Amino acid sequence: GGIITQTPKFLIGQEGQKLTLKCQQNFNHDTMYWYRQDSGKGLRLIYYSITENDLQKGDLSEGYDASREKKSSFSLTVTSAQKNEMAVFLCASSIWASAETLYFGSGTRLTVL
Amino acid sequence: GQQVQQSPPASLVLQEGENAELQCTYSTTLNSMQWFYQRPGGRLVSLLYSPSWAEQRGGRLTSSAASNESRSSLHISSSQITDSGTYLCAMVKDSNYQLIWGSGTKLIIKP
Repeated sequence: GGIITQTPKFLIGQEGQKLTLKCQQNFNHDTMYWYRQDSGKGLRLIYYSITENDLQKGDLSEGYDASREKKSSFSLTVTSAQKNEMAVFLCASSIWASAETLYFGSGTRLTVL
Repeated sequence: GQQVQQSPPASLVLQEGENAELQCTYSTTLNSMQWFYQRPGGRLVSLLYSPSWAEQRGGRLTSSAASNESRSSLHISSSQITDSGTYLCAMVKDSNYQLIWGSGTKLIIKP
């Protein structure tokens, strides 16, 4: 079976710092997603990509950049970390672009000092 | 905007063996929905996917939808301690790609 690997598992940064989160999948899925999960709230979509080199903004894209240089990897950059950004960032993939049956990574927990 | 409300809103505590029913209500017409499970510190796992509001079954899990009432339910029969965790629903917008998520219900099964 496939797996989605997110690195790092924990990320600590300073306010104003540029931080990059990485995600790798070996499902050979076309579509990949970055979500933000805040405690007590639903997931919010930051960016998604339906194929290599494609990028689509989600509802929460401001303050973030993303990169899909290979089909298997999708990275997310926090352009200037803010203290209210402390959350868990989840990467996911799906076989089609229809969002059926998402497979998730275990997340990166971001702490901003 | 489009919203998904989950109930119970925070947590549900049951005794082992009892049946659990979790619900999602939504504020607009959507074309399919999914239920996900997350163990504390674990990854989100897709449980059931229901296109066209069909009832879906998987072992002790059943999801059903009442589109005329804008509601979807997840029924867990004979709950087990290992069912404890957070259950989230997500609805697919007509444009696909983007899911609208509920905030989750924490299910606690006690022995």
